[in-house]
Amino acid sequence: AQTVTQSQPEMSVQEAETVTLSCTYDTSESDYYLFWYKQPPSRQMILVIRQEAYKQQNATENRFSVNFQKAAKSFSLKISDSQLGDAAMYFCAYRSEASYGKLTFGQGTILTVHP
Amino acid sequence: ETGVTQSPTHLIKTRGQQVTLRCSSQSGHNTVSWYQQALGQGPQFIFQYYREEENGRGNFPPRFSGLQFPNYSSELNVNALELDDSALYLCASSHRDRGEQYFGPGTRLTVT
Repeated sequence: AQTVTQSQPEMSVQEAETVTLSCTYDTSESDYYLFWYKQPPSRQMILVIRQEAYKQQNATENRFSVNFQKAAKSFSLKISDSQLGDAAMYFCAYRSEASYGKLTFGQGTILTVHP
Repeated sequence: ETGVTQSPTHLIKTRGQQVTLRCSSQSGHNTVSWYQQALGQGPQFIFQYYREEENGRGNFPPRFSGLQFPNYSSELNVNALELDDSALYLCASSHRDRGEQYFGPGTRLTVT
């Protein structure tokens, strides 16, 4: 069974600075997807970024980028120029290529942004 | 484009009762997944529906059941409610051929 581990229960960053959230996963499969989701206090889960395992290039969405290390099974999220609105719980999630609907989530990292 | 919607927003039930939660999928999506999220935890996969049939299930007992309708909307039914069923229930829709899922705002269920 696949597992996803987020080793940082809480992180904090100053506004306008950069922060990196860590995620590792365990799988025996070669084809899969990885995601970062953001869940603010309003509780709506919002997709931040996705990465296909077969792509070597790291995904980027505006201020958000990932460092995908397939051999190390590591998938970290970098947030540049942090904004107050980035404060939320961040979840790393895994989806097997064969399992269309099942996401396996990590425990989450609470990100606090200080003005 | 209409996003994923869920109803009701909040619900309070008594142990032993039954509950039905509803989800409307995002336009163009044909797959619906349900998740249970306990306070301070990551969501846990309950099951997924595609073409009106259950197509994958997590480690949840049979008293958790669901339906998907021809318009791709879905229901989650929980029988014989237990105190531990208190959680945020999230619905997510996706297109089967694409990887990402889009979530609704969730239903907060409290069992007393």
